[in-house]
Amino acid sequence: EADIYQTPRYLVIGTGKKITLECSQTMGHDKMYWYQQDPGMELHLIHYSYGVNSTEKGDLSSESTVSRIRTEHFPLTLESARPSHTSQYLCASSVGTAGYTFGSGTRLTVV
Amino acid sequence: DQQVKQNSPSLSVQEGRISILNCDYTNSMFDYFLWYKKYPAEGPTFLISISSIKDKNEDGRFTVFLNKSAKHLSLHIVPSQPGDSAVYFCAASTQGGSEKLVFGKGMKLTVNP
Repeated sequence: EADIYQTPRYLVIGTGKKITLECSQTMGHDKMYWYQQDPGMELHLIHYSYGVNSTEKGDLSSESTVSRIRTEHFPLTLESARPSHTSQYLCASSVGTAGYTFGSGTRLTVV
Repeated sequence: DQQVKQNSPSLSVQEGRISILNCDYTNSMFDYFLWYKKYPAEGPTFLISISSIKDKNEDGRFTVFLNKSAKHLSLHIVPSQPGDSAVYFCAASTQGGSEKLVFGKGMKLTVNP
């Protein structure tokens, strides 16, 4: 049973559209992350949050934005989607020194 | 620049044999290392971890070895099973794993029946 949920699982959308990828966790974890992964490549950290109202950009520059208004919710928004945003987006959460728990991911295709 | 490197993109082994997955890192500040397994269309799942104060950690069929002087770690799976076929990611962190993880590119393991 998944404790961290991402929706949608798959999304095909036209260029210029605004999209929000949802991520919610029920574990009460304080830390949450968004990673982007292209096929055959490493996971790149694009955003992270260490608690409510705390968000930071990751190592990979991204045109997306995030918010953390509630502990359990960490949505990612693209104001104007482009084909270069086509990728898999993975949300994760953690607490203390335990490893991450990942969601199932959202595979985004921008046409 | 890549701080965590998995130089072999794929590995194929026979069921029952040993699988050895390698990982190298460049950042000497890393002190906590993890392995994740990922099936297609799913998120990565945690497999095993090791702190830099150890050189070996075992969990059932999975053993991770750490060689700090060589900045190298390896994951051994014995015996390998067809269900182990997946992409395996090596990850590293500082401050005992409390900081954000840095991942390698992954290695696709195929275990043939």
